[in-house]
Amino acid sequence: QSVLTQPPSVSGAPGQRVTISCTGNSSNIGAGYDVNWYRQLPGTAPKLLIYGNSNRPSGVPDRFSGSKSATSVSLSITGLQVGDEADYYCQSYDSSLSGSVFGGGTKLTVL
Amino acid sequence: EVQLLESGGGLVQPGGSLRLSCAASRFSFSSYAMNWVRQAPGKGLEWVSVISGSGHKTLYADSVKGRFTISRDNSKNTLHLQMDSLRAEDTAVYYCAKRDSFDAFDIWGQGTMVTVSS
Repeated sequence: QSVLTQPPSVSGAPGQRVTISCTGNSSNIGAGYDVNWYRQLPGTAPKLLIYGNSNRPSGVPDRFSGSKSATSVSLSITGLQVGDEADYYCQSYDSSLSGSVFGGGTKLTVL
Repeated sequence: EVQLLESGGGLVQPGGSLRLSCAASRFSFSSYAMNWVRQAPGKGLEWVSVISGSGHKTLYADSVKGRFTISRDNSKNTLHLQMDSLRAEDTAVYYCAKRDSFDAFDIWGQGTMVTVSS
């Protein structure tokens, strides 16, 4: 059972937009800690996609965007491509656990 | 190119020990906190431990507290994870990851597989 909750899977057609949610509580997202997003292609290490809730590292296309509300955050991907098929994870800090926490991951399928 | 390279994984019996290493290159290693993150086969990511840039502060996930020890040698740009009293549930790919100023893991190694089995 992950501290941060993500939908197990999402899907969309090429060119469409999908959104992946990440819900926490008052010890992590609700406490104001930043959320980061990672993409993991099959058989590879995770790669940072969004940091500080909504910032993109150099080289990440602007098709990827992050947003945050009081206790949840979301990752949006527009203009879906077959190459976007991967597992996506959110991550934050949890003050009650005194450490980083990840969401359970969301598998994106591009139909 | 900034790089992290793990080593030391392998097959170990339950109750045994293993020491993982992570060699860093092309960044100011001592300036950044470093983490270990693991991923059991077919499962999600699990944060394991973090060590400050100086090495003076460490934190552990409850699942490994008292059994794993994180350390670093800034003179050799190397991160370590000493794993004792290993259990079957510790079987996973172990990644080392650099933490940036936003507390994001911006650089990851390729991972090293640890299998705990008799």
